Amino acid sequence: SAVISQKPSRDICQRGTSLTIQCQVDSQVTMMFWYRQQPGQSLTLIATANQGSEATYESGFVIDKFPISRPNLTFSTLTVSNMSPEDSSIYLCSVANRDRYNGYTFGSGTRLTVV
Amino acid sequence: AQKVTQAQTEISVVEKEDVTLDCVYETRDTTYYLFWYKQPPSGELVFLIRRNSFDEQNEISGRYSWNFQKSTSSFNFTITASQVVDSAVYFCALGGGSNYKLTFGKGTLLTVNP
Repeated sequence: SAVISQKPSRDICQRGTSLTIQCQVDSQVTMMFWYRQQPGQSLTLIATANQGSEATYESGFVIDKFPISRPNLTFSTLTVSNMSPEDSSIYLCSVANRDRYNGYTFGSGTRLTVV
Repeated sequence: AQKVTQAQTEISVVEKEDVTLDCVYETRDTTYYLFWYKQPPSGELVFLIRRNSFDEQNEISGRYSWNFQKSTSSFNFTITASQVVDSAVYFCALGGGSNYKLTFGKGTLLTVNP
């Protein structure tokens, strides 16, 4: 299974600022996924990031608020823009392992607090 | 649309008790995948098991066992002789055959008391 390094692990940010979260995978993967987990809630898919094309956003999420880059097959970033306290969540990246029988691997998460 | 229901929001047991976490799913895909993940207080998601729709064999891994019943669209998870280290939020998730998106249930918070 793939191994993902996600940074930062946590941050406290001022409202109105932006934070960029990075995920580095130890192998080439076609699709990477970004999830948000609001406090005490389940995981919600923000977008799917394919290398060489625009990310595909789920309903309720827009590119201006959550721009995503995918410059190569092992790296992706998610930016949370113009933050408000409602953006306080855990953000996780994920990849589908080459063989889905091995499931999906998740990064360790970024715990974001907006004050 | 896909849906995963984990009706148990919280469960509290005493160490060494057996506990079953319920998961019911809905999908129109004929081929799909079901997963269980553990999220300890540290926040990372730990993969526990994957089951594909055409394999209804139940599985046992140490103290963990899973009961997949296609007829009732359920994929329940049992921990035998629970331990304090089992305390975590457990998520059931569903992936469709034609895409790679995962739909998660709301999770069940399991607390195992000494």
